[in-house]
Amino acid sequence: ETGVTQTPRHLVMGMTNKKSLKCEQHLGHNAMYWYKQSAKKPLELMFVYNFKEQTENNSVPSRFSPECPNSSHLFLHLHTLQPEDSALYLCASSLLAGEGNEQFFGPGTRLTVL
Amino acid sequence: GENVEQHPSTLSVQEGDSAVIKCTYSDSASNYFPWYKQELGKGPQLIIDIRSNVGEKKDQRIAVTLNKTAKHFSLHITETQPEDSAVYFCAAYNPNAGKSTFGDGTTLTVKP
Repeated sequence: ETGVTQTPRHLVMGMTNKKSLKCEQHLGHNAMYWYKQSAKKPLELMFVYNFKEQTENNSVPSRFSPECPNSSHLFLHLHTLQPEDSALYLCASSLLAGEGNEQFFGPGTRLTVL
Repeated sequence: GENVEQHPSTLSVQEGDSAVIKCTYSDSASNYFPWYKQELGKGPQLIIDIRSNVGEKKDQRIAVTLNKTAKHFSLHITETQPEDSAVYFCAAYNPNAGKSTFGDGTTLTVKP
C-alpha cells in the first residue's frame, strides 16, 4: 500500500450508532489531518495531529472524537451524529504540521447519517 | 483569520483552449499557495504550488502566478484535455495560524 488509505470508503449509519473511520499513511509523515467536505462548501479542517499530539481542534462538536495512536494511523470515532454531518471525510498527511508544505489526501469516506 | 475567495465556481472550455482560475487571499502573512485537483471519487491531489518568494512557476501545461501586492494568485492550464476535467482548489497557508485555508473550488469541464 502506498500513500494515504481510508476505510471504509462508504458508511451509512443511524443517529444512535457508533462507528469509526480509519486512516493510514505510508509516507513516513509526522502530521495527520481530518477534513470535512460538504457539497458546495470549502474543505473544513477538523483536527490536526503532529507527532501524535493534537495541535488543532477547529471547534468540532464532541460527537466527533479523533484518536492518533501513532504517526501512521488516525481514527475518527463517531457517535450520535446528525443528518447534517453527512459529508465526505478526508484524511491527509504531511511531513510536519505548522509548516507550509504539500498535504497528501486519502480517497475519503462518504458518510451518510440517516 | 485568513479568507480565500476562488473564481469562477464553474468553468467550461473547449479542448485545446486555456483555462484560468483565480484566488484572492486576505492575510499578507500567507506564504505558501498550493493548487489541488480532485477527480470524482478521489481525494485532492497537489498539481502545483508556489511560495511567496516566487512570482511564477510552470510545470508543463500548468502554471501558477502570484501577485503578493494584490494578494491574488492564479492557475493557468494551457492546451486543455478532457482528463483535465475535475474540481480544482486553491489554498493559502498562513504561518501565524499554522494552517491552510482552502477556496470553495472550481469545477472545470473540458469539452472534447
